[in-house]
Amino acid sequence: GQQVMQIPQYQHVQEGEDFTTYCNSSTTLSNIQWYKQRPGGHPVFLIQLVKSGEVKKQKRLTFQFGEAKKNSSLHITATQTTDVGTYFCAGPEGGATNKLIFGTGTLLAVQP
Amino acid sequence: DGGITQSPKYLFRKEGQNVTLSCEQNLNHDAMYWYRQDPGQGLRLIYYSQIVNDFQKGDIAEGYSVSREKKESFPLTVTSAQKNPTAFYLCASSMSAGQLGETQYFGPGTRLLVL
Repeated sequence: GQQVMQIPQYQHVQEGEDFTTYCNSSTTLSNIQWYKQRPGGHPVFLIQLVKSGEVKKQKRLTFQFGEAKKNSSLHITATQTTDVGTYFCAGPEGGATNKLIFGTGTLLAVQP
Repeated sequence: DGGITQSPKYLFRKEGQNVTLSCEQNLNHDAMYWYRQDPGQGLRLIYYSQIVNDFQKGDIAEGYSVSREKKESFPLTVTSAQKNPTAFYLCASSMSAGQLGETQYFGPGTRLLVL
């Protein structure tokens, strides 16, 4: 079945260092979404990318959707302790439903 | 104040008991979802509903049941048939039925612990 994988599973950085997580789908996606889950919290929507090759920025966060619409990345510049959490990508399951397939997630730890 | 509420925040269950987790939304969303999250793991879909009085099984529906009698409510029952129910349960909603891959909005979750 359709799968969405993320790497790395876990990354530990010093505050101020950059961070990138990569998302790869086994199928072409009509869109890709990113969510952040703080420790002990619930996933919160960050952004949606729709177009091939699209790049969007939110302050220190840069999101990219691959040309083939099968992969995506999230890059954080100069991490801060508030960036701690698990980042999930998600894409629509094929067919006429609004189900999302969530990636495996990347846990980011930031050391002050 | 619009959003999704889940109750209770923590729930303790004795083995062999059924328990029901509440999920209510006042966003006027058509679609609602239940996910299970185990420690350090991703989200696995239990059930989803695209419209009132209709719901479909997700990837791990065994041992769970749902109802969707009202648009704003989508309770999840964890039955005694669910052999390993200890987990974090998340409810979510999205605006429209049948729209591919809409943004989902999550409730704060319920942590279920079996004693």
